Amino acid sequence: GAVVSQHPSWVICKSGTSVKIECRSLDFQATTMFWYRQFPKQSLMLMATSNEGSKATYEQGVEKDKFLINHASLTLSTLTVTSAHPEDSSFYICSAPLGTRDNEQFFGPGTRLTVL
Amino acid sequence: KQEVTQIPAALSVPEGENLVLNCSFTDSAIYNLQWFRQDPGKGLTSLLLIQSSQREQTSGRLNASLDKSSGRSTLYIAASQPGDSATYLCAVLTGGGNKLTFGTGTQLKVEL
Repeated sequence: GAVVSQHPSWVICKSGTSVKIECRSLDFQATTMFWYRQFPKQSLMLMATSNEGSKATYEQGVEKDKFLINHASLTLSTLTVTSAHPEDSSFYICSAPLGTRDNEQFFGPGTRLTVL
Repeated sequence: KQEVTQIPAALSVPEGENLVLNCSFTDSAIYNLQWFRQDPGKGLTSLLLIQSSQREQTSGRLNASLDKSSGRSTLYIAASQPGDSATYLCAVLTGGGNKLTFGTGTQLKVEL
């Protein structure tokens, strides 16, 4: 099956710093990738759609200046959490649809962000 | 706005039992429905995908059905094993843009 990787798998940072999370499609190209956030014991909430070569589209209530998304190539999207605060601590997961398989979505392993 | 609900929220069964997880959605205009498995602290593993024109899909001990008109899907797990313990999420694809709306999840525990 298609593989999506994320790096890092976990990160701990001080309040006020910025953290970059990478999402890569390893064996297929993805013009679109999605970023989700998951709080403990809750389901996944879509944050934004990352579009290769153009601006990301954000869901209502998600601050685009705080969560910077760059989709520089067909296999890489990055999410940068700027000036992170403890309330940004969460599990961040990316996904990419495989167009040749009924747009089935494949998910990365997730990144656990802890802001102290 | 699409809303997806899963019942029950948690389930504990003895090994070997057959079980059914339920998923309901409010907007029946979906393109497909996916069932995922999530282990604690991990990402999602796709289990089954049902297109809107299909009624069911099977993979091993798993069988997923879809009744689009009534806004329901079920995931049937046969002969459950302790290794099946995880959270099961259903998600529907509606509208344009490949956006998935996730259900609230069912936390399954299969005991020896």
